Amino acid sequence: NAGVTQTPKFRVLKTGQSMTLLCAQDMNHEYMYWYRQDPGMGLRLIHYSVGEGTTAKGEVPDGYNVSRLKKQNFLLGLESAAPSQTSVYFCASSSSDGGRAETQYFGPGTRLLVL
Amino acid sequence: SQQGEEDPQALSIQEGENATMNCSYKTSINNLQWYRQNSGRGLVHLILIRSNEREKHSGRLRVTLDTSKKSSSLLITASRAADTASYFCATDARKGYKLSFGAGTTVTVRA
Repeated sequence: NAGVTQTPKFRVLKTGQSMTLLCAQDMNHEYMYWYRQDPGMGLRLIHYSVGEGTTAKGEVPDGYNVSRLKKQNFLLGLESAAPSQTSVYFCASSSSDGGRAETQYFGPGTRLLVL
Repeated sequence: SQQGEEDPQALSIQEGENATMNCSYKTSINNLQWYRQNSGRGLVHLILIRSNEREKHSGRLRVTLDTSKKSSSLLITASRAADTASYFCATDARKGYKLSFGAGTTVTVRA
């Protein structure tokens, strides 16, 4: 099993450009998450999904959109990139267990630099 | 806002020594988890402790949970160079499937 994979690994954008980050998991997990990690801030939840076709806002959703058209994929979009979105983005997935937060499995991350 | 906060922010120890880090949180939880992150990598799950458990072991790891003090500790015994990483606690704050992560403790194990 590949677990959780993320594409691309690294990207440089100019302010105002758009891009999509792709996350794929092969563990048949219901829940998927997008986080951003900034120095000294830990991980902050951007958006999450509790199943195919569903998405919800996390702690810092502004400037991002997501889609979960297939159970195994969770896409994170930046419509108009800003320097404040320079960060490392992590995708994670977890199984469902009565609605409780269980172990999350993380991808390797995408480093995004917005100039 | 971060539910869990780790202490200390950074820790440097000699190989073979024990490393202890703490996590404090603000609201009631269903469970608390600890994760490790090696430099430039994603987070890896270490251990999950439920609110009705007080202590849990996994290899050289020992986690305690005190719900009355809203705190947890992670002990790594007989540390190795490979334990050099950042360690994060994560709590669910009874919000179902969402986790809230602290800023982490950076552990450096010197050979």
